[in-house]
Amino acid sequence: GAVVSQHPSWVICKSGTSVKIECRSLDFQATTMFWYRQFPKQSLMLMATSNEGSKATYEQGVEKDKFLINHASLTLSTLTVTSAHPEDSSFYICSARDPGVSYGYTFGSGTRLTVV
Amino acid sequence: AQSVAQPEDQVNVAEGNPLTVKCTYSVSGNPYLFWYVQYPNRGLQFLLKYITGDNLVKGSYGFEAEFNKSQTSFHLKKPSALVSDSALYFCAVRDITGFQKLVFGTGTRLLVSP
Repeated sequence: GAVVSQHPSWVICKSGTSVKIECRSLDFQATTMFWYRQFPKQSLMLMATSNEGSKATYEQGVEKDKFLINHASLTLSTLTVTSAHPEDSSFYICSARDPGVSYGYTFGSGTRLTVV
Repeated sequence: AQSVAQPEDQVNVAEGNPLTVKCTYSVSGNPYLFWYVQYPNRGLQFLLKYITGDNLVKGSYGFEAEFNKSQTSFHLKKPSALVSDSALYFCAVRDITGFQKLVFGTGTRLLVSP
């Protein structure tokens, strides 16, 4: 099936700095990428949906100025956590629809962000 | 709005015994239902989906799920559990609006004891 490569797997940053997470579709073109956030022992909450060449669509309650999403090409979507704070520490996962599987979705391996 | 509910935070089962992880759904129109498994600090792995057709869906790693329209349920099952099945399991439904995102349940932790 289709593969989404997500980097980095984990990152530790200082409060106030920015962190960029990349998701690349390796063998297909992803016009849409979903960005989820997962708190410890909790479910995945959709943060935003990115679309190639246009502005991302953010879910209610998600700060678009804090979580910058860019989908500049059909194979790359990035999430930048700006001015990170300890409460932004979480597990972030991207996902795209799998074009090879009817109604299929493929997920990145996730990024563990720790803000100290 | 489409939603799924997983009533159990954790399910404990002994190795070799059958397992069931419960999921109920609430949708407008036909449900497109999924099961995923997550191992620690990893992304989600697809197990199976129901779109249409047979109510019994067979998936990866010996898992199956039964779609029950009258009970609005989509329970995940396996005849004989393995210790390696211990993980976090998510039921999900595809949204019918917008970008057709997946909406996830709260997850059920499966613990299989030796």
